[in-house]
Amino acid sequence: EAQVTQNPRYLITVTGKKLTVTCSQNMNHEYMSWYRQDPGLGLRQIYYSMNVEVTDKGDVPEGYKVSRKEKRNFPLILESPSPNQTSLYFCASSQGYNEQFFGPGTRLTVL
Amino acid sequence: GEDVEQSLFLSVREGDSSVINCTYTDSSSTYLYWYKQEPGAGLQLLTYIFSNMDMKQDQRLTVLLNKKDKHLSLRIADTQTGDSAIYFCAEGAFSGGYNKLIFGAGTRLAVHP
Repeated sequence: EAQVTQNPRYLITVTGKKLTVTCSQNMNHEYMSWYRQDPGLGLRQIYYSMNVEVTDKGDVPEGYKVSRKEKRNFPLILESPSPNQTSLYFCASSQGYNEQFFGPGTRLTVL
Repeated sequence: GEDVEQSLFLSVREGDSSVINCTYTDSSSTYLYWYKQEPGAGLQLLTYIFSNMDMKQDQRLTVLLNKKDKHLSLRIADTQTGDSAIYFCAEGAFSGGYNKLIFGAGTRLAVHP
């Protein structure tokens, strides 16, 4: 089944404790992206990647890092999480200009 | 800059039609999208319309685009309780080899008996 998976689905952590949210897609898509969803703000793009070893900042990249060492994986790294990064995070992938497929989301709470 | 606006809540009676409205600012948008988010789930593409079209119909869904006013609407006929969800409007612009999406805040649709 074609899908985008994210882990973990739920995470509660404390300020400053490094964490990684994984994202994997099995559709051989070149393009992958991370979004955060906040009430009243919709989805905002954090980082995106056009292909392996090619990443770029989205609209709200501060406090986040990403890497793209393999085509299927695009982890989101929070080196020193802060409470304002409490949010619902979505990973998405697509091929060229086609439809973006979204993962199920990761709900992160930073205390 | 780019901005997409939509009302936050809509409540309808089961069996009635729902109309969710959206306005956008980027006249260079190539496609306009409607995504559905059910509780605890990711976003699912419902339908989309190319920017040179006025209307698109897909079963119970009708999308209307007024490019002059930069206004997009989604009509759901015979709304059912299973349609209760958050609906996101998004504009897409082809940028450097991919389709950059700008999302609205989402409209929460509540369907009551």
